[in-house]
Amino acid sequence: SQELEQSPQSLIVQEGKNLTINCTSSKTLYGLYWYKQKYGEGLIFLMMLQKGGEEKSHEKITAKLDEKKQQSSLHITASQPSHAGIYLCGADVASGTYKYIFGTGTRLKVLA
Amino acid sequence: DTAVSQTPKYLVTQMGNDKSIKCEQNLGHDTMYWYKQDSKKFLKIMFSYNNKELIINETVPNRFSPKSPDKAHLNLHINSLELGDSAVYFCASSQLGEDEKLFFGSGTQLSVL
Repeated sequence: SQELEQSPQSLIVQEGKNLTINCTSSKTLYGLYWYKQKYGEGLIFLMMLQKGGEEKSHEKITAKLDEKKQQSSLHITASQPSHAGIYLCGADVASGTYKYIFGTGTRLKVLA
Repeated sequence: DTAVSQTPKYLVTQMGNDKSIKCEQNLGHDTMYWYKQDSKKFLKIMFSYNNKELIINETVPNRFSPKSPDKAHLNLHINSLELGDSAVYFCASSQLGEDEKLFFGSGTQLSVL
């Protein structure tokens, strides 16, 4: 069940360029998770955001959750070929009950 | 028409029992996965099968045994269930190659009492 919209669906950038991937929901998100999938491998957890306006960074990747907690962006600074893969957002959309949904995925290629 | 379907959606059972979770995909994908979602909601890969062959087998107790009768199905059988097995289990599929987007099932919430 994929109910989070991600954009763009795919992205090709030159090495060194910055890029942003968005994850949008029509519902309030109670926890937003960013994952990366390398080709042929499983998901690698990147970051989790819970509070409106929260921002986290890890190496050259920064993720933000907007104040309304309905949209998150993932920003990569000075992209490298090692950043290539599929980025997926996942989220809790119900408080107190179990409901976890996934984004549609964004495929990133970084040209050397 | 659901792309990746898992059954059951909820499973409540006693410690020591054996249970199975079924997964089927109608996308024609050749790779299927089982993920466990821990209490912090992180997804961790357990197994991956490509064309009925095991390609990823993370550190999972051998009480967990995946079975792939054909490439459209990957079932998860768990023997001697323990309290710590309580979690949500997600099945997913993808097509290896240029576009490896993962498609997830809706999850199975397993509660071991």
